[in-house]
Amino acid sequence: GQQVMQIPQYQHVQEGEDFTTYCNSSTTLSNIQWYKQRPGGHPVFLIQLVKSGEVKKQKRLTFQFGEAKKNSSLHITATQTTDVGTYFCAGGAQKLVFGQGTRLTINP
Amino acid sequence: AAGVIQSPRHLIKEKRETATLKCYPIPRHDTVYWYQQGPGQDPQFLISFYEKMQSDKGSIPDRFSAQQFSDYHSELNMSSLELGDSALYFCASSLVGSGNTIYFGEGSWLTVV
Repeated sequence: GQQVMQIPQYQHVQEGEDFTTYCNSSTTLSNIQWYKQRPGGHPVFLIQLVKSGEVKKQKRLTFQFGEAKKNSSLHITATQTTDVGTYFCAGGAQKLVFGQGTRLTINP
Repeated sequence: AAGVIQSPRHLIKEKRETATLKCYPIPRHDTVYWYQQGPGQDPQFLISFYEKMQSDKGSIPDRFSAQQFSDYHSELNMSSLELGDSALYFCASSLVGSGNTIYFGEGSWLTVV
């Protein structure tokens, strides 16, 4: 079945440093979605990428979808303490298959 | 805006007991999903319904069953509970044709003791 791998599993940065998480799928994805889950919270939808090579930005967050639509990345510039949480990528047509998530912690 | 409503938010059950979780999707959403998230794990897909019919099945144990009712709310029934069933159970909903963006409820914490 479809598998979505995400790395790294954990990332600890100093506030102000950049952060990147990578997502790879075993199969071509029709689209990929990114979610953020705060500790004790529920996954909150961030963005969806559909087109090959697509790049979208949300303030300090930059999302990319690979040309082959099998990989994606999320890059946060100049992290802030409010960015703490676990970032999940998820792909799939009818059911979302989640990556394992990258837990971001930040030293203020 | 209305969100996905789940109840109860917290539930404590003993081994071998039965538990029922309820989910009320966002109004006009036609698809409901159930996910299970263990501590430190990613959400695992259990089952989904589209227009009240089961549309997909994931890693849902045979001890679990779910259904979607005429008013589109859904219930996840879990029987013969085991300690390993302790997890956060998310319900999510989406509207086909809207890009399949899935919106999660706040989850129901099940603790089996």
